[in-house]
Amino acid sequence: SQTIHQWPATLVQPVGSPLSLECTVEGTSNPNLYWYRQAAGRGLQLLFYSVGIGQISSEVPQNLSASRPQDRQFILSSKKLLLSDSGFYLCAWNPRSYTEAFFGQGTRLTVV
Amino acid sequence: AQSVTQLGSHVSVSEGALVLLRCNYSSSVPPYLFWYVQYPNQGLQLLLKYTSAATLVKGINGFEAEFKKSETSFHLTKPSAHMSDAAEYFCAVSEPISGGYNKLIFGAGTRLAVHP
Repeated sequence: SQTIHQWPATLVQPVGSPLSLECTVEGTSNPNLYWYRQAAGRGLQLLFYSVGIGQISSEVPQNLSASRPQDRQFILSSKKLLLSDSGFYLCAWNPRSYTEAFFGQGTRLTVV
Repeated sequence: AQSVTQLGSHVSVSEGALVLLRCNYSSSVPPYLFWYVQYPNQGLQLLLKYTSAATLVKGINGFEAEFKKSETSFHLTKPSAHMSDAAEYFCAVSEPISGGYNKLIFGAGTRLAVHP
């Protein structure tokens, strides 16, 4: 069966520090991959999606970037964190033919 | 572009009472619709999905939702609330993106509280 792993679960980082969140999917190949952010009291905002290695689409301009160095690996990065980057970050995936997505457990990022 | 509106950011019910969480969508094409549940500090779990088959969709944990095209609605219901249903619920619509793929557009969420 397919599983998605996301780490770390929680992270506290100072303003101006770099960020790297990692997500991997097991048990499938060629998945679509997504990064969502959930700010306190708000819904989920799609940040990036990827349909293949090295193929990244950005939904909103921001202080973050994403990369997909391997088929089942998706990384969310920042060179310098801002206070406004705080939130709950969720990685998700789906097979090519699916419309619903399957989510990881999320990373709670607090920028101080 | 598709969008989703969830009426009521907070809903409170008594244990054993009917749960009704409202969702309205806008879509220029026949939509695929979803309800997800999120427990504190966890990811989202799919409750149910509508993909143009039966208009009444049954999901996990006793939840169901009815697709009403004339009302552009996809409300989530459960006949009898349980304490364990306390969570945040998100309605979502699938939007096509380039290359024949899809992304999910979420509503702002409804936090359900269940009290004894």
